[in-house]
Amino acid sequence: GQQLNQSPQSMFIQEGEDVSMNCTSSSIFNTWLWYKQEPGEGPVLLIALYKAGELTSNGRLTAQFGITRKDSFLNISASIPSDVGIYFCAGTITSQGGSEKLVFGKGTKLTVNP
Amino acid sequence: DAGITQSPRHKVTETGTPVTLRCHQTENHRYMYWYRQDPGHGLRLIHYSYGVKDTDKGEVSDGYSVSRSKTEDFLLTLESATSSQTSVYFCAISPAQTYEQYFGPGTRLTVT
Repeated sequence: GQQLNQSPQSMFIQEGEDVSMNCTSSSIFNTWLWYKQEPGEGPVLLIALYKAGELTSNGRLTAQFGITRKDSFLNISASIPSDVGIYFCAGTITSQGGSEKLVFGKGTKLTVNP
Repeated sequence: DAGITQSPRHKVTETGTPVTLRCHQTENHRYMYWYRQDPGHGLRLIHYSYGVKDTDKGEVSDGYSVSRSKTEDFLLTLESATSSQTSVYFCAISPAQTYEQYFGPGTRLTVT
């Protein structure tokens, strides 16, 4: 179906390390979004991608819209303790009726050890 | 940060009682959404609105109703709360169907 497979489910890294996570699907997506959620708060939009192949950075974060339109990755360079949280991918897909809907991955929980 | 508030932030209620959650925005965005977040399920869309008095169902709408009488307010009502509706509820807004949705801080609802 229109499920997004996000991996890994969790990551435990040392401060200063680089991080990579991704989302894949068997369906074609029109847009990819990456969010971060901290405990007790709502998800915060980090990066939005609109075109296949697009590579966008936001500080130490870099995300790419896969060329096949079926995947996206998020990289975090030189991790710091405040990067801790759950990272969600989300993508828009055209439904059979022609409308677009937003589908969320189940998240990657990131822990950074000082 | 987008100007979105949710009230209440926490609520405990008994099975069978009605509950209304409020989402208020100061951004004048056209689209508003209600999601629930549960472990193992991620974020799931309950209902959304594309304008005043214009609403539509999401993927988990059973047991929920919504109303939007003003641009800035979107209400989610559980007519008769059940334990399966224990969850964290998030409101989101977006200026258009660009899907850059901005989320509120959430409401933690416990139905006993």
